[in-house]
Amino acid sequence: EIVLTQSPATLSLSPGERATLSCRASQSIRNYLAWYQQKPGQAPRLLIYDASNRATGIPARFSGSGSGTDFTLIINSLEPEDFAVYYCQQRSNWLFTFGPGTKVDVK
Amino acid sequence: QVQLVQSGAEVKKPGASVKVSCKASGYTFTGYYLHWVRQAPGQGLEWMGRINPNSGETKFAQKFQGRVTLTRDTSITTAYMDLSRLRSDDTAVYYCATAGNSLYFFDFWGQGTLVIVSS
Repeated sequence: EIVLTQSPATLSLSPGERATLSCRASQSIRNYLAWYQQKPGQAPRLLIYDASNRATGIPARFSGSGSGTDFTLIINSLEPEDFAVYYCQQRSNWLFTFGPGTKVDVK
Repeated sequence: QVQLVQSGAEVKKPGASVKVSCKASGYTFTGYYLHWVRQAPGQGLEWMGRINPNSGETKFAQKFQGRVTLTRDTSITTAYMDLSRLRSDDTAVYYCATAGNSLYFFDFWGQGTLVIVSS
């Protein structure tokens, strides 16, 4: 099973700042990676798929990059509604796993 | 618009089984895999498995092999997740999810079904 690790576990930032979230896979997953945002009491929302493609309706301040084992989600200029938990997910060999999540909270 | 509407909350005793439904609408039900994901209270997301609604073929995370059954009824565009031999650590919100423009990831999610396992 491919294991995803995310860092940091918690990121404390102020609105307007830039958030940089990391996701690392235990082996190469090419670009088979997605990022999700989840707020309390809500289902997750797809942000980025195939490592760098924004999902429908996702603002341009969200961007993804990486391939192989190292991936990054950047949120430029945090808006109040961006404070949430972010998960990465991989789909290698049609078995899916999620990372443990990064919580972005208000500093 | 795409909608996945799940059945309501359940309370079960340890050792029992639970069956959660996921009614799909607004897209071609047989066109995309239908996945099941769970989230224990205060914890992260855990992929359980998926079904190909067209063929009925299934694939599971190793942890759930032998304890989860995924089925579908294409006539009513509904998928089902049956979890047997319930334990207290199966207490979680269970989501169904399916792809859209991403083709393979989870563009659309159900609202979640809370399953509580308690004696």
